[in-house]
Amino acid sequence: QKEVEQNSGPLSVPEGAIASLNCTYSDRGSQSFFWYRQYSGKSPELIMSIYSNGDKEDGRFTAQLNKASQYVSLLIRDSQPSDSATYLCAVKANRDDKIIFGKGTRLHILP
Amino acid sequence: NAGVTQTPKFRILKIGQSMTLQCAQDMNHNYMYWYRQDPGMGLKLIYYSVGAGITDKGEVPNGYNVSRSTTEDFPLRLELAAPSQTSVYFCASSSGVAGVSSYEQYFGPGTRLTVT
Repeated sequence: QKEVEQNSGPLSVPEGAIASLNCTYSDRGSQSFFWYRQYSGKSPELIMSIYSNGDKEDGRFTAQLNKASQYVSLLIRDSQPSDSATYLCAVKANRDDKIIFGKGTRLHILP
Repeated sequence: NAGVTQTPKFRILKIGQSMTLQCAQDMNHNYMYWYRQDPGMGLKLIYYSVGAGITDKGEVPNGYNVSRSTTEDFPLRLELAAPSQTSVYFCASSSGVAGVSSYEQYFGPGTRLTVT
């Protein structure tokens, strides 16, 4: 079983709509979860971190965490063409200091 | 602050050659990580370090070695390069200080390595 799973996409969303990105993880004891954005040819940059069940909002971004279902998601409201990128979900392992990444979801915002 | 810096940006190696990828951070972070990213794939953890003198293997350590003699530097050594090591290599750091942001990672710009 893969440790962190994401739909590879591409996910195409019209400009101004809500983009919904999903991630599941296998390590039930994990406590720290991260979303990174990576533009083509660039390095990943952190956009959201979440540690407690529920929602966490930061501007147009909302991260959602459900530890019982081992599920974390990222919502992007009022999507802009500049949001077109690959979004990587990352999970800190429960028993050590490793951070495990999913393969990423390619998001394409249609003008 | 320069953040996380990596050198070189690009490198072409012949099969069997060796090289060291340099990584440095000026944020006084305790934790440092090396990842590789193959085309269309996520990041695979090679090695990581939680402090000077302490290193541990990640998911794909074979063919690589690391050392951490200072807080700032975390070089990655490739011995006997193979075509399978063609990839983009990213170094990252995080504070490692107890608290919610301990594992929030900052990435360097990457090194694009081709082995032919």
